[in-house]
Order: sequence, then structure tokens, then C-alpha cells
Amino acid sequence: DGGITQSPKYLFRKEGQNVTLSCEQNLNHDAMYWYRQDPGQGLRLIYYSQIVNDFQKGDIAEGYSVSREKKESFPLTVTSAQKNPTAFYLCATTRGTVYGYTFGSGTRLTVV
Amino acid sequence: QKEVEQDPGPLSVPEGAIVSLNCTYSNSAFQYFMWYRQYSRKGPELLMYTYSSGNKEDGRFTAQVDKSSKYISLFIRDSQPSDSATYLCAMISNTGNQFYFGTGTSLTVIP
Repeated sequence: DGGITQSPKYLFRKEGQNVTLSCEQNLNHDAMYWYRQDPGQGLRLIYYSQIVNDFQKGDIAEGYSVSREKKESFPLTVTSAQKNPTAFYLCATTRGTVYGYTFGSGTRLTVV
Repeated sequence: QKEVEQDPGPLSVPEGAIVSLNCTYSNSAFQYFMWYRQYSRKGPELLMYTYSSGNKEDGRFTAQVDKSSKYISLFIRDSQPSDSATYLCAMISNTGNQFYFGTGTSLTVIP
């Protein structure tokens, strides 16, 4: 089945620690996105990539980093500079923005 | 002002009711309008997609776009408990790089 795999489903981070969220897709889509979802704030764009080896900052990129070395993979690193990382993180892809996004099942990150 | 405004609810209706969900937006360049359904602890899934103004129907779901009022709606007829979820509107312009999302409306359909 084609789709998007996000892992892990749940992740706990200690203060001052960097953590990496995985996003893998086998849909052969060029564009990939990372969103953060908080209660009452909807989805906010962190980073996006429209092609391999290229990515752009979204609205809330501070404290996050990404890489796009392969078409299938777009990992997100939450660095210690992100002061409030507890949230639900969603990875999405699209074959063209007019077709809408396909979302992964999400990773819930909690700071402990 | 946010690009997209959506009443977060929560909305609670009895089974069989007609549900109306709405979003307003400020950017007149938006041309593509979508509704996503998100179950608890899951990623959103695309429910309806409309281009420009007009109506689109798919089974029990009808999406309406009124560009003159910058207002979009999703109607659910004969609502079922399985429709209980959060509904997100999203929109994008012809030249945009990203969708803009509403905050989502939480719907509960009571059996």
C-alpha cells in the first residue's frame, strides 16, 4: 500500500535534548511538509521541501531543522532551542497542491 | 487577522441531524478549498475538494464555496456517530506553496 509512515508514534524528550522525527513516503510525491498541531491553533507549517536537497522555512521554523537527502524521506529534528516542543507533529506530501495533502498518522512529542 | 477563521466548537448533535460547518477567510486569491476529517490521535484525511465557487456533493457530504462572501461550508446530512471527529477547512491560491488551515471544529454525533 502506498502511504506515509511517521515514527515513532509517541516520543518523550528531556530538557536540552535534540530528537528526530521520521517521515517516509512511498507515494513518489515530490513535495513534503511538516506541520505542528496544537489545541486551538490548528496546523502551523514548520518546513517544506518541493524537491530533493532543497527545503524552505515555514511560519514557525525556529528551533527545528530538516534534511531532504532522498525523495522518500524528510526527517524533522526538534532541537533544544525549541522552547515549547510538546505538540502533535504531522508530515504530509502532495503530488501537486491542487490535489491536497496526504497526511501521516502523526507523532506526539512530549517534554518530560 | 488570521488567514482562515473557523469556529472550534465543540458541536454536539443527535444522530440523523444535519450538520453545518463553516470557515471564513480573508485572502481573495484563494481558489482551492478543501475539507479534512481528523479522528482523535490520527492524521487528517481529505474529505471534500472544491475549486472556486459553487457546490460539490459526495454522498451525505456537500461542500459550498461563496467567494464573494469569502465563506465556505460543509454540510453533513443524516449524521452518524462515525462522523464524530474534528473537521478542518484548508485553502490555497493558484500560486501558493502551502495550504492555510482553520483551527478545526470538533463534532460529536450522539446515538
